[in-house]
Amino acid sequence: AQTVTQSQPEMSVQEAETVTLSCTYDTSENNYYLFWYKQPPSRQMILVIRQEAYKQQNATENRFSVNFQKAAKSFSLKISDSQLGDTAMYFCAFIPTGNQFYFGTGTSLTVIP
Amino acid sequence: DGGITQSPKYLFRKEGQNVTLSCEQNLNHDAMYWYRQDPGQGLRLIYYSQIVNDFQKGDIAEGYSVSREKKESFPLTVTSAQKNPTAFYLCASRRTGTELNTQYFGPGTRLTVL
Repeated sequence: AQTVTQSQPEMSVQEAETVTLSCTYDTSENNYYLFWYKQPPSRQMILVIRQEAYKQQNATENRFSVNFQKAAKSFSLKISDSQLGDTAMYFCAFIPTGNQFYFGTGTSLTVIP
Repeated sequence: DGGITQSPKYLFRKEGQNVTLSCEQNLNHDAMYWYRQDPGQGLRLIYYSQIVNDFQKGDIAEGYSVSREKKESFPLTVTSAQKNPTAFYLCASRRTGTELNTQYFGPGTRLTVL
């Protein structure tokens, strides 16, 4: 079965500090793609970052980076220099071969001024 | 602008009525998806479609129906058979056959049953 687990329902961080959101997944496939999406209070789902499983180098997008550990099936998101606009729900997701995406239950992040 | 539109933003339904949620995309994406979002449960897949005139059930298809007559459009009908339809509904699309494999989302429709 394909599953995604986000074990931190809620987190908070002080503005300008760094925070890491955890995600683990389970799949028997070797090739897949991993994503982090952000859902602010507007509820629009926004792509934050993506990672191809066959690439060993961790993806980075400005203040956002991932720590991808394929053997451990772990895909954590690090947000550096946290800003008030980072306050949102964050969802980890992946797609193995095929067409179905699998999502975690989300982590609610609050950035404290 | 390219993107995914969903309408209406808010929808109210009386019990026993069918309602249809619209989803349109001009991104030339092949695959389209419908998700339901409830508090604390993340996104659950209702239906998805890879090509015109073809679609597959997701994890929670009971009480829902879809059609895919055009590449750009993937409407979702919530039927009276859906026992608890009050939720936030998200439509998404993806271009298949590329290594990016990224799904993009519309703004969502909030459905409330009165």
